[in-house]
Amino acid sequence: EDQVTQSPEALRLQEGESSSLNCSYTVSGLRGLFWYRQDPGKGPEFLFTLYSAGEEKEKERLKATLTKKESFLHITAPKPEDSATYLCAVQEGSSNTGKLIFGQGTTLQVKP
Amino acid sequence: SAVISQKPSRDICQRGTSLTIQCQVDSQVTMMFWYRQQPGQSLTLIATANQGSEATYESGFVIDKFPISRPNLTFSTLTVSNMSPEDSSIYLCSAKRLTGRNTEAFFGQGTRLTVV
Repeated sequence: EDQVTQSPEALRLQEGESSSLNCSYTVSGLRGLFWYRQDPGKGPEFLFTLYSAGEEKEKERLKATLTKKESFLHITAPKPEDSATYLCAVQEGSSNTGKLIFGQGTTLQVKP
Repeated sequence: SAVISQKPSRDICQRGTSLTIQCQVDSQVTMMFWYRQQPGQSLTLIATANQGSEATYESGFVIDKFPISRPNLTFSTLTVSNMSPEDSSIYLCSAKRLTGRNTEAFFGQGTRLTVV
């Protein structure tokens, strides 16, 4: 069964303290791994799509990397405005339906 | 990025009634989906909205309870029928677009539904 597990569930950082969020997945062929940011009361905001092991993508203080079993979202020198829930989702390769399977998310709090 | 307009943004409904949620995308997209997100939880796919044909439902979701329409490439509706308090949740519309080799999947702001 396809599965997506994110860790940690919650993370508290001081402003400027870099860290990484983990997304482990088990799928029968990966068609794409998606990262989102979600603020309270809002819909998820698309960040990145990664397709193959070794791929990396960056956006401001965020950098996403992908291996055959997991993805990391690295946050460099975070600021309080980076506080949000970060969601990871996968699209498995054998399906043409395009549906995404989501992890439970990591709630990040960055203190000034 | 595609802009997805979803309305209403929130509603409080009486049990036994129905609510229709609308989703409009600002550009043509390949696929549209409806998700549910219960408080403190992640997203669960309800169904894929297929243009001009019946939606494809996930296990645990049925057409009689969640009828979906998608009359064209940029518009879809989800109806939550015969509501009960257990239907209280956030309902999210999503659209997927292929840009070259890249796939981008966007979400609306969600509809926060409370059933009393």
